[in-house]
Amino acid sequence: DIQMTQSPSSLSASVGERVTITCRASQSIKNYLHWYQQKPGKAPKLLIYAASSLQSGVPSSFSGSGSGTDFTLTISSLQPEDSATYYCQQSHSSPYTFGQGTKLEI
Amino acid sequence: QVQLVQSGAEVKKPGASVKVSCKASGYTFTNYDISWVRQAPGQGLEWMGWMNPDTGNTGYAQKLQGRVTMTRNTSTSTAYMDLSSLRSEDTAVYYCARVVLGMDDAFDFWGQGTILTVSS
Repeated sequence: DIQMTQSPSSLSASVGERVTITCRASQSIKNYLHWYQQKPGKAPKLLIYAASSLQSGVPSSFSGSGSGTDFTLTISSLQPEDSATYYCQQSHSSPYTFGQGTKLEI
Repeated sequence: QVQLVQSGAEVKKPGASVKVSCKASGYTFTNYDISWVRQAPGQGLEWMGWMNPDTGNTGYAQKLQGRVTMTRNTSTSTAYMDLSSLRSEDTAVYYCARVVLGMDDAFDFWGQGTILTVSS
């Protein structure tokens, strides 16, 4: 199975700041990497697919980059509503594993 | 609009089975795979498997092989996830999600989740 490792596990930042979350795969997954946002008691929400494509309706403050084994999710200007847990997921090969999550506190 | 509506919370005893449903609307059910993902209390997301509603083909996570079965009813646009021989470790929120081939198999819509509690 492909292991997905996110860092940091948690972080605290202020409104307006720029934050970056990293996701590393245990082997190359090309660009089969997606990012989800999950708020307490809610289902995950797709933010970025195929490493860098912004899902419809998602603010342009979110962006993704990377390929191969190293990927990043960047939020360019934090808003209070961005407080959530963020997960990366690979869909290169089954099982479609998730990272352990990064809890972002604003 | 696309919606996935799941069945309600369940409480089961160890060793029992559970069947969770996921009713799709707002799109052609047979055009998109459905995946199931679970989340134990306070934990991360765990992918359980996928089903092609058109063919009925399935693929399951190795750790659940033999205990999980994913099926569908195309006449009602409903996907089902059966989990048998339940253990306390199966206590979790279970989600169904629509898989988009054109998005490299990203999950673009999710059900609201079904809470399963396994307890004696």
